[in-house]
Amino acid sequence: DTAVSQTPKYLVTQMGNDKSIKCEQNLGHDTMYWYKQDSKKFLKIMFSYNNKELIINETVPNRFSPKSPDKAHLNLHINSLELGDSAVYFCASSQDLASRDTQYFGPGTRLTVL
Amino acid sequence: GNSVTQMEGPVTLSEEAFLTINCTYTATGYPSLFWYVQYPGEGLQLLLKATKADDKGSNKGFEATYRKETTSFHLEKGSVQVSDSAVYFCALQNSGGSNYKLTFGKGTLLTVNP
Repeated sequence: DTAVSQTPKYLVTQMGNDKSIKCEQNLGHDTMYWYKQDSKKFLKIMFSYNNKELIINETVPNRFSPKSPDKAHLNLHINSLELGDSAVYFCASSQDLASRDTQYFGPGTRLTVL
Repeated sequence: GNSVTQMEGPVTLSEEAFLTINCTYTATGYPSLFWYVQYPGEGLQLLLKATKADDKGSNKGFEATYRKETTSFHLEKGSVQVSDSAVYFCALQNSGGSNYKLTFGKGTLLTVNP
């Protein structure tokens, strides 16, 4: 059983399109995250939700909008895609917001904007 | 704010060599510290963690000790294998306020040759 799953694994699209990436966790966790990994492997948090409530929203363009229909899902919708959005996007989850909680990562979605 | 500095890579070693990857951090309060590993084409996996000063995390022959006096969490392994080739990320996680997030170092690429 996959603990944190993401779809699709690869996404190739044209500039200006709108796309979504889905994430699901079957660990019963309360907190979910989206991270962006650039071409140099640098990882940076984008969003965090706890019990469907937005907790962290880093300086991410408004074109990125997370949606959490329930605690097990956190989807990422991106409007008007730009070349600079090309990256690997990772979803993660943790039991709660405690600093000691381990975050479990999905396999990533490689987004390529042409 | 929080930050993590880890040694620049890439690191290339022969099998059975000793590995050290340095990691230092800046944080307020009492963060938890983590090492994550990313194998080629995969997501991040927790390698080990330590949640308070002087704790030692260990897993798969890797070790790291939480040193508050030197704000360090260096990763070590006595004898590396080819299968250890991956990117290693040091990270810290704080709690309280808007600190519910992992802050990552830039990653260190390790290549182990037979």
